[in-house]
Amino acid sequence: GAVVSQHPSWVICKSGTSVKIECRSLDFQATTMFWYRQFPKQSLMLMATSNEGSKATYEQGVEKDKFLINHASLTLSTLTVTSAHPEDSSFYICSALETGGKETQYFGPGTRLLVL
Amino acid sequence: LAKTTQPISMDSYEGQEVNITCSHNNIATNDYITWYQQFPSQGPRFIIQGYKTKVTNEVASLFIPADRKSSTLSLPRVSLSDTAVYYCLVGEPRQLTFGSGTQLTVLP
Repeated sequence: GAVVSQHPSWVICKSGTSVKIECRSLDFQATTMFWYRQFPKQSLMLMATSNEGSKATYEQGVEKDKFLINHASLTLSTLTVTSAHPEDSSFYICSALETGGKETQYFGPGTRLLVL
Repeated sequence: LAKTTQPISMDSYEGQEVNITCSHNNIATNDYITWYQQFPSQGPRFIIQGYKTKVTNEVASLFIPADRKSSTLSLPRVSLSDTAVYYCLVGEPRQLTFGSGTQLTVLP
């Protein structure tokens, strides 16, 4: 299957700082990527859809100025959590839409963010 | 209104076949059925995707009746390492909504 990577796998930061998470599709090009967040014992919640070369589309309740998304190439999308606070601590997971055959979302391994 | 309904949890024993059924009464014409597996602290792993009838790959089979209002994921001869949460998603692949999933526990 298609491979999606994320970096870093985990990060600890101080409150008020910004953190950037990278999502890469390693063996296919993806014009569309997605960012999800998952809190403990809960399911994945879609935060935003990242479109190569255009602005991201955010889900209701997700602050676009706080969660900056950039999708500058067909294999890379980045999520920057700006002015992070402890309540932003979560598991962030990206996915990339593979459209070569049937459309399928392939997920990255996730990034654990802990804000102190 | 939830798009899918699946059991919250299931237990099985090593070597058994496991069938997880998902109900999706309001499935739309353009919707596909996709199953993912998730281990703790990992991203979901794609298992199988189908539109109608039966789909089989090296990992699982997916059975979809003619009315497409339900689907069944079949895992042959499970092992301890198959203990995970299994998500059934219905929709266009670029518009997935995750439900609660089914926690499958495989016992020795």
